[in-house]
Amino acid sequence: GAGVSQTPSNKVTEKGKYVELRCDPISGHTALYWYRQSLGQGPEFLIYFQGTGAADDSGLPNDRFFAVRPEGSVSTLKIQRTERGDSAVYLCASSDIGGDYNEQFFGPGTRLTVL
Amino acid sequence: AQSVAQPEDQVNVAEGNPLTVKCTYSVSGNPYLFWYVQYPNRGLQFLLKYITGDNLVKGSYGFEAEFNKSQTSFHLKKPSALVSDSALYFCAVRDRGGSQGNLIFGKGTKLSVKP
Repeated sequence: GAGVSQTPSNKVTEKGKYVELRCDPISGHTALYWYRQSLGQGPEFLIYFQGTGAADDSGLPNDRFFAVRPEGSVSTLKIQRTERGDSAVYLCASSDIGGDYNEQFFGPGTRLTVL
Repeated sequence: AQSVAQPEDQVNVAEGNPLTVKCTYSVSGNPYLFWYVQYPNRGLQFLLKYITGDNLVKGSYGFEAEFNKSQTSFHLKKPSALVSDSALYFCAVRDRGGSQGNLIFGKGTKLSVKP
């Protein structure tokens, strides 16, 4: 079946602009995660949804970052007033149950470049 | 705080030789450990996981990993490397202290297999 998809694959924006990144999880997966991967680093957790609600948003770096999942499927990561330091690959993952032992399935990521 | 360490930035192996990619962890309680692989321009792919039971875990593409509680290690191994195994490998531990959702990743190890 279809895996996790993310759009756009690449996004170039100017400092101060607003961007939205979209994630389509695997159908039926209730848990959805956003990570950010900077060059030469492993992915860093941003936010975790269980259904429609954000179960843990402790990884969001500041209030410029926000994410929603209004119908418990597609999620959008929103970044306001982008800064050059926001440049990274943003990864989305989903799993069928947000428990300890279920592996997460990752999308290909959105490469965000802030000029 | 829970963490994962991958002490080698790069591992070089000749095709046909055994390979080991090292990972050590620091967690409170019993660890849930994962290995993922990342090919260029592709998303992270799940390889294997340790939850409980047998210390030797077998996964995808002929990879296996050995959980060693006394050494707090979870090294990835393969008896005979292939050129196609060349990729970026990430060790991860489930964050038991938070919402039980997110993974904590190491910084990654680049595996290069030469013919």
